[in-house]
Amino acid sequence: AQTVTQSQPEMSVQEAETVTLSCTYDTSESDYYLFWYKQPPSRQMILVIRQEAYKQQNATENRFSVNFQKAAKSFSLKISDSQLGDAAMYFCAYRPVGVYSGGGADGLTFGKGTHLIIQP
Amino acid sequence: DAGITQSPRHKVTETGTPVTLRCHQTENHRYMYWYRQDPGHGLRLIHYSYGVKDTDKGEVSDGYSVSRSKTEDFLLTLESATSSQTSVYFCAISDWATSSYEQYFGPGTRLTVT
Repeated sequence: AQTVTQSQPEMSVQEAETVTLSCTYDTSESDYYLFWYKQPPSRQMILVIRQEAYKQQNATENRFSVNFQKAAKSFSLKISDSQLGDAAMYFCAYRPVGVYSGGGADGLTFGKGTHLIIQP
Repeated sequence: DAGITQSPRHKVTETGTPVTLRCHQTENHRYMYWYRQDPGHGLRLIHYSYGVKDTDKGEVSDGYSVSRSKTEDFLLTLESATSSQTSVYFCAISDWATSSYEQYFGPGTRLTVT
């Protein structure tokens, strides 16, 4: 079974600084998608960024970028110029690509999350 | 934002009573999912649907059943609620044909079983 590990339960950063959240995963699949979701206090799950494993170029969305290291099975999220609105729980998630195989394979496998605090 | 609503948003119920949570989407997406979120566990898949009347179990399906009679509605039923089912429940949708497997989530339902 695939597992996703976020080793930092909580991170704190000064406003306007850069912070990197870590995520590692375990899989025997060769092609898959990785995601970062943000969950602010409102509880809404918001997709931040996605990365497909066969694409070597790291994904970027405005101030959010990833460092995808396929061989190391690492997928970290970098937030530049941190803003107060970035304060939230951040979840890393994994999903293999391929034909539907049942057994829950079609769901996302989530890490336990990192609580990001932004210090003004 | 994807058109996903969940009802009720909050519910308190007693142990042993049946509970049904509803997820409604206006995106005409084929795939729908139910997750639960508990402190220290992230989100875990309960059940999912890959079409009308087509459902399958997820990681934590014991004590839950689902039904999907229409594309837009996906119901999660706790046949006899237990305190261990106190959680926040999220519905999600996905359309593999046009997206890269990402899922879009509803606002969540906080369920308390006393």
